[in-house]
Amino acid sequence: AQTVTQSQPEMSVQEAETVTLSCTYDTSENNYYLFWYKQPPSRQMILVIRQEAYKQQNATENRFSVNFQKAAKSFSLKISDSQLGDTAMYFCAFMKPGAGSYQLTFGKGTKLSVIP
Amino acid sequence: DSGVTQTPKHLITATGQRVTLRCSPRSGDLSVYWYQQSLDQGLQFLIQYYNGEERAKGNILERFSAQQFPDLHSELNLSSLELGDSALYFCASSEGIGGANQPQHFGDGTRLSIL
Repeated sequence: AQTVTQSQPEMSVQEAETVTLSCTYDTSENNYYLFWYKQPPSRQMILVIRQEAYKQQNATENRFSVNFQKAAKSFSLKISDSQLGDTAMYFCAFMKPGAGSYQLTFGKGTKLSVIP
Repeated sequence: DSGVTQTPKHLITATGQRVTLRCSPRSGDLSVYWYQQSLDQGLQFLIQYYNGEERAKGNILERFSAQQFPDLHSELNLSSLELGDSALYFCASSEGIGGANQPQHFGDGTRLSIL
């Protein structure tokens, strides 16, 4: 079974600064997908960014980017120019395609607070 | 707004009771997923349906069951409720069976409180 570990239960960052959230995963698979989801206090789950394991290029979505290290099984999220609206729980998630199942396996989450 | 609608938003009931949670996927999405978010277990996958058929099962208790109807809405039935079933239950949907190019879009969740 796949496991996802987020080693930082809580983090804080000053507004306009950069912060990096860590995620490691354990799998024997070669083909898989990785995601970061954001859960603000409103409790919605919002997709932030996604990465296919076969792609060497790191994914980028505006102020959000990832550092994907396949050999190290690491998938960190970098948030640049942090904004107050970035305050949320961030979940790293793993998806192993196969047998018609595309379930997400989530880490425990990192609570990010952006300080004005 | 993700386009996924979950009702009710909140549900309070007692141990031993049965409840039904409802989910309407985004227009055009054929897959529906159910997840449970609790303080001790985190976010856990329960079950997936695709176009009315069960595709995958996760850590879903035997007391729980789900189905997807011809109009693609889905219901999660929880019976013989226990205190430990208190959690936030999310429904998500995707266009097809799934994958990175078919990301899962989540509803706002149903908060279930067992007294």
